[in-house]
Amino acid sequence: KNEVEQSPQNLTAQEGEFITINCSYSVGISALHWLQQHPGGGIVSLFMLSSGKKKHGRLIATINIQEKHSSLHITASHPRDSAVYICAPKPTSGTYKYIFGTGTRLKVLA
Amino acid sequence: DSGVTQTPKHLITATGQRVTLRCSPRSGDLSVYWYQQSLDQGLQFLIQYYNGEERAKGNILERFSAQQFPDLHSELNLSSLELGDSALYFCASSPNEGDQFFGPGTRLTVL
Repeated sequence: KNEVEQSPQNLTAQEGEFITINCSYSVGISALHWLQQHPGGGIVSLFMLSSGKKKHGRLIATINIQEKHSSLHITASHPRDSAVYICAPKPTSGTYKYIFGTGTRLKVLA
Repeated sequence: DSGVTQTPKHLITATGQRVTLRCSPRSGDLSVYWYQQSLDQGLQFLIQYYNGEERAKGNILERFSAQQFPDLHSELNLSSLELGDSALYFCASSPNEGDQFFGPGTRLTVL
């Protein structure tokens, strides 16, 4: 079983829809990153969370450390949100090693 | 533009060869991370440096090595290359081991 599970693996939405991407992990962590990778390959770090909730524009990320679960929400989705979204938990192993989900491929149609 | 630069953008080489990938972090960022992204393995953390010292090691092969220089730029050396080393190699920098800023990546193709 993978240490990090993301769902769904693929998602197609209509412009304007509310989108949720989920990330579950099996190890203890101190923080979690959400990354966005565009079709050209570039990666942007969207959020780093250690508790609660963070909001940036139309993006909201939540985390429940005890339940080992994080969600990324996109409100009023737009075609430019089309990308792969990857969660990256940071295990509390005494090192700074990150583990990665396999990503959620999102396509938003106009 | 994240402010992190990586060179070269593309690299094509043959099995058995050695290559060096270079990363210049954002001005003032002390941490540099290296990641490998292959089609079958996804993203993997390789190694982290903080102000010239190795801070953490991930799934880095013995054939691979890295260092961070006094001016904070970093190099990832890959030797005895195999077909399976073909991948995108990203570096990221961070001022505080929190938020990370990714470079555009180096695409390595081993033939």
